[in-house]
Amino acid sequence: SQQGEEDPQALSIQEGENATMNCSYKTSINNLQWYRQNSGRGLVHLILIRSNEREKHSGRLRVTLDTSKKSSSLLITASRAADTASYFCATDARDDKIIFGKGTRLHILP
Amino acid sequence: NAGVMQNPRHLVRRRGQEARLRCSPMKGHSHVYWYRQLPEEGLKFMVYLQKENIIDESGMPKERFSAEFPKEGPSILRIQQVVRGDSAAYFCASSRMELAKAGTEAFFGQGTRLTVV
Repeated sequence: SQQGEEDPQALSIQEGENATMNCSYKTSINNLQWYRQNSGRGLVHLILIRSNEREKHSGRLRVTLDTSKKSSSLLITASRAADTASYFCATDARDDKIIFGKGTRLHILP
Repeated sequence: NAGVMQNPRHLVRRRGQEARLRCSPMKGHSHVYWYRQLPEEGLKFMVYLQKENIIDESGMPKERFSAEFPKEGPSILRIQQVVRGDSAAYFCASSRMELAKAGTEAFFGQGTRLTVV
């Protein structure tokens, strides 16, 4: 089955630093999405990037997509304690299935 | 192992009627999440349930919407007195454990496309 794989699995950085997470997938996609989840909460949609887009910004978030490498990156600039969460990429293939990867657990240190 | 099964795939309701959307999680999965997707938008979280419990319903409208995940049977998302603005695709996802824990993946169903006429 198609799957987004996030890398690294876990990341700890100091508050104020930038955090970069990567996602790789296996088959052609329509869209790639990034989500955040705090423990015990639902998934919060962060950003959607279409297969014909290369870069997208939303506030402190920057997402890139390289369809030739089947990979995406999520950059969070000027990290804050509230950014501590798990981050997932989700890809939707042309058969409409959407699968999340296992996520990157981000911990922002004070 | 069948994936997450949602039915019906397409549902048409007149304004004021009730819509019932069903989601059968993957075998062995006890966590269910419901999402709504409007055209050209990402999935928006509605509610997160474990068996017989609502864990997080912060994304669900306070009125007309309810969800349950009984001990036996599928999870149900119920929309009473539907309005045109309820027209959307509704997806559920299931996972074996809470997603934020290590090594857990979530799998989505193919969605129910609700059209209110």
